[in-house]
Amino acid sequence: DQQVKQNSPSLSVQEGRISILNCDYTNSMFDYFLWYKKYPAEGPTFLISISSIKDKNEDGRFTVFLNKSAKHLSLHIVPSQPGDSAVYFCAASDRGGGSNYKLTFGKGTLLTVNP
Amino acid sequence: GAGVSQSPSNKVTEKGKDVELRCDPISGHTALYWYRQSLGQGLEFLIYFQGNSAPDKSGLPSDRFSAERTGGSVSTLTIQRTQQEDSAVYLCASSLEGNYEQYFGPGTRLTVT
Repeated sequence: DQQVKQNSPSLSVQEGRISILNCDYTNSMFDYFLWYKKYPAEGPTFLISISSIKDKNEDGRFTVFLNKSAKHLSLHIVPSQPGDSAVYFCAASDRGGGSNYKLTFGKGTLLTVNP
Repeated sequence: GAGVSQSPSNKVTEKGKDVELRCDPISGHTALYWYRQSLGQGLEFLIYFQGNSAPDKSGLPSDRFSAERTGGSVSTLTIQRTQQEDSAVYLCASSLEGNYEQYFGPGTRLTVT
């Protein structure tokens, strides 16, 4: 059973416009959410995160929104740049009171930003 | 500073052989994780090490998989009697204790023929 879902395998946007990547989750015990960016033949790179006690976190061109009641989060990139073209993974953590911060990942969304 | 490194970057092996994958975490990171990504899938948690504590092996898919971490630093993931379904990219990540953000290595692409 997939606990973190990214329902759009791919997204294409024009340079300068907004990119919106979506993620849904089913486990209400998740208390922290992260977005990772991955280029081919490289490991995922941490991008931005949000705690479950917040509904928005912003870092430069990247903003993550969390809607706990809907179990939904989204990553907004504005303005989008060609260098943003990559696979974006949504991830969530539920350490259950322990020390294991293991991440549960979605399958990723391939973002293509066209010049 | 140096990031997480993994070796080899690519490994092709015959079905039934054993393989060892290596991970060097970021210096000072006490938490170390192994994940794998099969084709078209998200990353799947395998095992977690924290300092000298007993590892959390709850994600290992079978008893053919094992891992160890020596001296609280380098880790090796061993797959015995490899099967074709073991073909995947194996990723290692490390983090500071008590920190959600994990830093990933480039991965080892394992192909079992």
